[in-house]
Formats: sequence, C-alpha cells, structure tokens
Amino acid sequence: GQNIDQPTEMTATEGAIVQINCTYQTSGFNGLFWYQQHAGEAPTFLSYNVLDGLEEKGRFSSFLSRSKGYSYLLLKELQMKDSASYLCAVRDGVTGGGNKLTFGTGTQLKVEL
Amino acid sequence: DAGITQSPRHKVTETGTPVTLRCHQTENHRYMYWYRQDPGHGLRLIHYSYGVKDTDKGEVSDGYSVSRSKTEDFLLTLESATSSQTSVYFCASRTGVGYTFGSGTRLTVV
Repeated sequence: GQNIDQPTEMTATEGAIVQINCTYQTSGFNGLFWYQQHAGEAPTFLSYNVLDGLEEKGRFSSFLSRSKGYSYLLLKELQMKDSASYLCAVRDGVTGGGNKLTFGTGTQLKVEL
Repeated sequence: DAGITQSPRHKVTETGTPVTLRCHQTENHRYMYWYRQDPGHGLRLIHYSYGVKDTDKGEVSDGYSVSRSKTEDFLLTLESATSSQTSVYFCASRTGVGYTFGSGTRLTVV
C-alpha cells in the first residue's frame, strides 16, 4: 500500500517563498504528482517527478528524492490566488495496477498580505 | 483538457435509494477513475477502469459498483445510498503522463 504525509496547513506572506513537503512510503513507485485545488473546484495538475532532482515550471518547482521517499513543492513570489490546497500523489508501480494515484490529505495554504 | 464532464453536479437523495453518477470523456482515454473526497481524508480511490468492461476495486469500494460499456463513459452506482456516502465525487482520466479531473459531483444522502 501507500502512505503519504504532508502538513495539514501552512500560512505564508504575499511575495514570499513557501515549501510544502511530502513524504511517502510505497509498495511500488512510478512517479509523484502535485496538484492544486481551489475550494469547490477540481484538482489541477502542477508538476510531475519520476527521477530524482528538481523540476521547474515558472513560479513552481518540485523536487524528488526516491531514496528518501521525499518530495517538496516550492512556490515563489506568492500571490493571493495561490491560496489553495496542494495535493501530493504517488502513482503505483505495480504491473497491471491500473496506474492508480494515491493522494495525501492535502496542505491548505493561506497567503496573507 | 481531457474534456471530462460529470453529471449531475449536485444531488440530494434519500437513504436506501440507488444513485448513479456519470463521467463522460471525449479523448478516448483508456484509464478512468472514481474518487471521493472528504475532509481529513483527501481523495480516495473507489474504482478504476483500464478499458471497456475492465474494472477493478480501489481502497474504498464497499457499497459502490461501476460499469464501463463504452470508452467514453464510466458510471458509478451507489447500490443503496447511506449517509456515510455523502461526499464530493471526482472522476479522472489518465492523459498521457498526467491525469485530468472532472468538476465533481456533490452528493448528499439524507
């Protein structure tokens, strides 16, 4: 099975940088995803890591260490619209497993002035 | 976008009644998934499909069944709705590397 942990809540200031951590323990691994979800809306894709290292996409970066079962999402130049829940998800690596995603419970980020 | 639509968007139903939620995608994706989202639990997988008539259970499948008679449609049925099934239900499909989610169905069982 999969066990994914991330902080429940974080607060940061507009214009600052925030790092949201995610640790996982899995029976198989075939990639780690970060999604953003605003209240009442569907999750939207932010980033994907399957190899160790940093993936950068504009103001958002995501890092993966497979040996440590660890990832983080880095948000730079925070804006008020970044207030949302950030979901860490792991895709299983089991053959015939349906490429399922298992999600953490999400980190609610609040950006303040 | 994968063009995923869910219907209905909102539904209130009575305990003990059957309910069917529909997920429709227009991109010919093979893999489709049903999740429920509840406070404190995040998104949990109910059932998934890896092709027409090919489905399997997720971690919270009790009380739910699914059907996929066409590539584009994936139906979730609550056989006899209970209050514990009050939740927001999301459908998703695998779009290459990533996954795209529908807008969700908010189901209330009274």
